[in-house]
Amino acid sequence: SQQGEEDPQALSIQEGENATMNCSYKTSINNLQWYRQNSGRGLVHLILIRSNEREKHSGRLRVTLDTSKKSSSLLITASRAADTASYFCALGDSGGYNKLIFGAGTRLAVHP
Amino acid sequence: DGGITQSPKYLFRKEGQNVTLSCEQNLNHDAMYWYRQDPGQGLRLIYYSQIVNDFQKGDIAEGYSVSREKKESFPLTVTSAQKNPTAFYLCASSIGGTVAYEQYFGPGTRLTVT
Repeated sequence: SQQGEEDPQALSIQEGENATMNCSYKTSINNLQWYRQNSGRGLVHLILIRSNEREKHSGRLRVTLDTSKKSSSLLITASRAADTASYFCALGDSGGYNKLIFGAGTRLAVHP
Repeated sequence: DGGITQSPKYLFRKEGQNVTLSCEQNLNHDAMYWYRQDPGQGLRLIYYSQIVNDFQKGDIAEGYSVSREKKESFPLTVTSAQKNPTAFYLCASSIGGTVAYEQYFGPGTRLTVT
């Protein structure tokens, strides 16, 4: 069954370094979205990339999508302590109902 | 302010009791969703609704029920039939339709059943 698998499960870096998280999936998708969750809070949408797009940017965030490899990556440049959170990829299905299937997430810790 | 509200933030119930979690949105969104999150896990879809008076089961609907009588409201009832109800419950909404849009999430309700 379809599921997003994220790698690594946890990432620890220093402020100013870049953080890269990856998401792989098994079957075709309509779109892929990245969300951030601070501890015990709701999720915040970061970027949506459609299946016919290869790269999108938003501030310090860069998302790539390779549909031939069925994978996506989220790059956070010049990380800050405030970026400490869990990051989830969510697969948008092709069925037209805008349902999302979430991965287990990458826990990012950025140390001052 | 536009957004999604969930209440209460924390909820405690005894085993065998039904409990209803509230979700309200003032974003004028057609679609609404309920997810469950267990510690260290991703989100799993319980129910979703694309329009008023219509809803569909998600991946883990057993032991849950919903209603969508108003566009703004999508309450979730956790019934006594749900075997492991203790979890963090998140409600979300989106514009809806067949075009992909981002989902907006509420702050969540943490339910503990003992």
